[in-house]
Amino acid sequence: QKEVEQDPGPLSVPEGAIVSLNCTYSNSAFQYFMWYRQYSRKGPELLMYTYSSGNKEDGRFTAQVDKSSKYISLFIRDSQPSDSATYLCAMRGTSGTYKYIFGTGTRLKVLA
Amino acid sequence: GAGVSQSPSNKVTEKGKDVELRCDPISGHTALYWYRQSLGQGLEFLIYFQGNSAPDKSGLPSDRFSAERTGGSVSTLTIQRTQQEDSAVYLCASSQRYRDSKNIQYFGAGTRLSVL
Repeated sequence: QKEVEQDPGPLSVPEGAIVSLNCTYSNSAFQYFMWYRQYSRKGPELLMYTYSSGNKEDGRFTAQVDKSSKYISLFIRDSQPSDSATYLCAMRGTSGTYKYIFGTGTRLKVLA
Repeated sequence: GAGVSQSPSNKVTEKGKDVELRCDPISGHTALYWYRQSLGQGLEFLIYFQGNSAPDKSGLPSDRFSAERTGGSVSTLTIQRTQQEDSAVYLCASSQRYRDSKNIQYFGAGTRLSVL
């Protein structure tokens, strides 16, 4: 079993839809949770960064962490064709650790 | 300011040849990572450099892979005697260690390696 599981998709939604992307993990030591967006033939770019459980909102993006269920989500409101990309979750342990564990990424297509 | 720069962006080589991939991190970032990204796979950690400390090489898949970082800045990933299974995108990331250890990684665009 992988430490981090993420559905690879592809996920196709119409423009304006609410998108929900999810990752589950097995290591209860993870404390820091990130979402990266990766456009085709580009490097991943950081979208959201959260520590421990709770919600964080930034514009159309909301990140949720439920440590009791070992489950994290990224919601995209009013999705746009420009949101079409691969979304990778990443996580790491305590402040002394440097190694990220990445999900395989979910490919999202927002149809105009 | 400038982001993480990787070169070349694409590399096509023949099986058995050696290749060198270069990464120029963000100025002032002390930590540097190399990852491999294959189709349908997540980012596979290869190696980590932090300042003058000994690198964490635990992710290197075989002794054909090596990396160095000169002067705490530019890094080179070398793959000797390339095999077809080495074909992948090689990503470099850098981060600046803060006291609160936010340690956000910033990625380059990657080098797409094709071994024929």
